Amino acid sequence: NAGVMQNPRHLVRRRGQEARLRCSPMKGHSHVYWYRQLPEEGLKFMVYLQKENIIDESGMPKERFSAEFPKEGPSILRIQQVVRGDSAAYFCASSPKSGQGGEQFFGPGTRLTVL
Amino acid sequence: LAKTTQPISMDSYEGQEVNITCSHNNIATNDYITWYQQFPSQGPRFIIQGYKTKVTNEVASLFIPADRKSSTLSLPRVSLSDTAVYYCLVGFVGDDKIIFGKGTRLHILP
Repeated sequence: NAGVMQNPRHLVRRRGQEARLRCSPMKGHSHVYWYRQLPEEGLKFMVYLQKENIIDESGMPKERFSAEFPKEGPSILRIQQVVRGDSAAYFCASSPKSGQGGEQFFGPGTRLTVL
Repeated sequence: LAKTTQPISMDSYEGQEVNITCSHNNIATNDYITWYQQFPSQGPRFIIQGYKTKVTNEVASLFIPADRKSSTLSLPRVSLSDTAVYYCLVGFVGDDKIIFGKGTRLHILP
């Protein structure tokens, strides 16, 4: 059973470009979470999605960031008009159902560098 | 969500037992205590979870005193590969988002 997959693993963008990060949850998992991690910091929750629904986006910046989890295909975290401050590692996690008591399965992350 | 406090960093040597203590003074009745491990350039990995007393699995033990205001993650006979950041988390089983602190950077020396 493959784990959570994220691609690309590394992404370089220039200021003003768009970044698209993809996450394929573990098989059988219908709940996806996105986190952002700055160097030397812990992970910060961004958004929680189920298939075709955003459940909690309280950690997502109001502008330039969006997320989706379509009926078919991976979850996408989209950052428009990137700025240097968006440089970070973005982790996706999945779980088979909500309320797992904190147990989520994390992918290897996408490291975004904004030049 | 209850706030947690844990040491910023710890050093230990191979073969020793390592204990990392986490304080969570305002833990709620329904909260569980969970520990994650994160290696460099990887996502966090669930280690152990408990509510009270002691929990043990193949990786670690978790000790929780009766008042539940703290907990201790115990790693037996550590090796160099246990060098990682360890996060203590406290939250309700029904929570969907995990609140991470800065964790404890454990460095195992040969």
